[in-house]
Amino acid sequence: DAGVTQSPTHLIKTRGQQVTLRCSPKSGHDTVSWYQQALGQGPQFIFQYYEEEERQRGNFPDRFSGHQFPNYSSELNVNALLLGDSALYLCASSLAGSSPLHFGNGTRLTVT
Amino acid sequence: TQLLEQSPQFLSIQEGENLTVYCNSSSVFSSLQWYRQEPGEGPVLLVTVVTGGEVKKLKRLTFQFGDARKDSSLHITAAQPGDTGLYLCAGAGGTSYGKLTFGQGTILTVHP
Repeated sequence: DAGVTQSPTHLIKTRGQQVTLRCSPKSGHDTVSWYQQALGQGPQFIFQYYEEEERQRGNFPDRFSGHQFPNYSSELNVNALLLGDSALYLCASSLAGSSPLHFGNGTRLTVT
Repeated sequence: TQLLEQSPQFLSIQEGENLTVYCNSSSVFSSLQWYRQEPGEGPVLLVTVVTGGEVKKLKRLTFQFGDARKDSSLHITAAQPGDTGLYLCAGAGGTSYGKLTFGQGTILTVHP
């Protein structure tokens, strides 16, 4: 039973570029949440997708957008990258309203 | 805005010692979760506490949820080097587990 998988594991981008991160949820899960974890900090909630729609959103600018596909997988897009966007981006899946989160191992994004 | 203050931020102890990590907030949470995260990996759920005053034990780990559901503690008895890692508390504000508010984490190092 595959857990949450994220790709790529590491990514280096230049300031101003755009990036897309991908997540496949744990088998049987239908909800995907994205978190940003800066070095030495706890994860911060970006947004959550359920039934292909953004259901909840944290305090992140519109440069951060996402998508959920019919197979429940999800993408996180970040436009106009800033140096401060450098972080570990975590995807977590759950079964809406009935289970805790299962996290992937994250994508380490470095913006230079 | 719900905030979780976690303390201490760093803890360095010898094998066999006991320790307690605290997680405090001025907000009420419907549930509180504790995670452990190792370098290069996503957080892994240790326990969820739901009822005020609830105490849960997981081998040498004891978790407590405050009566008012605003604070929690994690106590480790006879720490071992394998306990080394980042410990995170996270609060959920409603029935959905997707949007969690995380503390900043406690980095625990247990020396043999």
